[in-house]
Amino acid sequence: DSGVTQTPKHLITATGQRVTLRCSPRSGDLSVYWYQQSLDQGLQFLIQYYNGEERAKGNILERFSAQQFPDLHSELNLSSLELGDSALYFCASSVGAQTSYEQYFGPGTRLTVT
Amino acid sequence: AQSVTQLDSQVPVFEEAPVELRCNYSSSVSVYLFWYVQYPNQGLQLLLKYLSGSTLVESINGFEAEFNKSQTSFHLRKPSVHISDTAEYFCAVSDDQGGSEKLVFGKGTKLTVNP
Repeated sequence: DSGVTQTPKHLITATGQRVTLRCSPRSGDLSVYWYQQSLDQGLQFLIQYYNGEERAKGNILERFSAQQFPDLHSELNLSSLELGDSALYFCASSVGAQTSYEQYFGPGTRLTVT
Repeated sequence: AQSVTQLDSQVPVFEEAPVELRCNYSSSVSVYLFWYVQYPNQGLQLLLKYLSGSTLVESINGFEAEFNKSQTSFHLRKPSVHISDTAEYFCAVSDDQGGSEKLVFGKGTKLTVNP
C-alpha cells in the first residue's frame, strides 16, 4: 500500500459526459501528479500541483482540468468525454521539495467511455 | 526534451535464469533515473532509483541497475528470476528543470517468467 488513495476504482460513462477523479496523497506529501496510461500512448504525464498551485503541465487536453485543494487532495475533471479517453488514470504524490524525487502511485481509476 | 526508450516490449525467460531489461534515455541535463514495476491490475511501485553517487543501485528483491552516463543507459538486471517477478517494468527519467519532478516513462517491458 503506497498510501495514495484514488476513487473511484472503476468508472463507466458515455461519450459527451463529464467525470471527476479524486486523489488523496500520502500524509505529508505536497505534490500531486496525474498520469494517463493507455495502450497506444503508454504512461503520459498530465499535470502536477504543488501545495495548491499548478507546477507543471504535460500533454493534458483542454477538456481536462485539475485542482488541488487546501487539504492537498486533488481532483481531475474530464469533460466532453470521447472513446479515446478510455484509459487508466493514476495519481502519484511526492514530498515535492526536490529532495528524494520519489513518487508514490495510487491504484488508479479505470475509465471506460462507451 | 527528455525521452526514454525501452528496447524490448516483451521478455520471456525461464525461472532461475538471468534477465536484463534495457533502458536508454535522452536528456541534455542531469537526470534522475527510476525503475517502476506494475503487477497485473495494480499501480506502479518504485523498484529502484539513481539520483547521484554510486552508479550501481540495488533493490531489496535482488534487482540492480547501473547508470552509464556515456551510453545514456540504465539497464535493469537480476541474476536469477522467480515466477513472482512476472510483471511490467517501466524505466523513467526526471529532472528538476522548472521545479517539476515529473516523470517521463518508457513504453514498458513485459517480463514473463516461465516454470
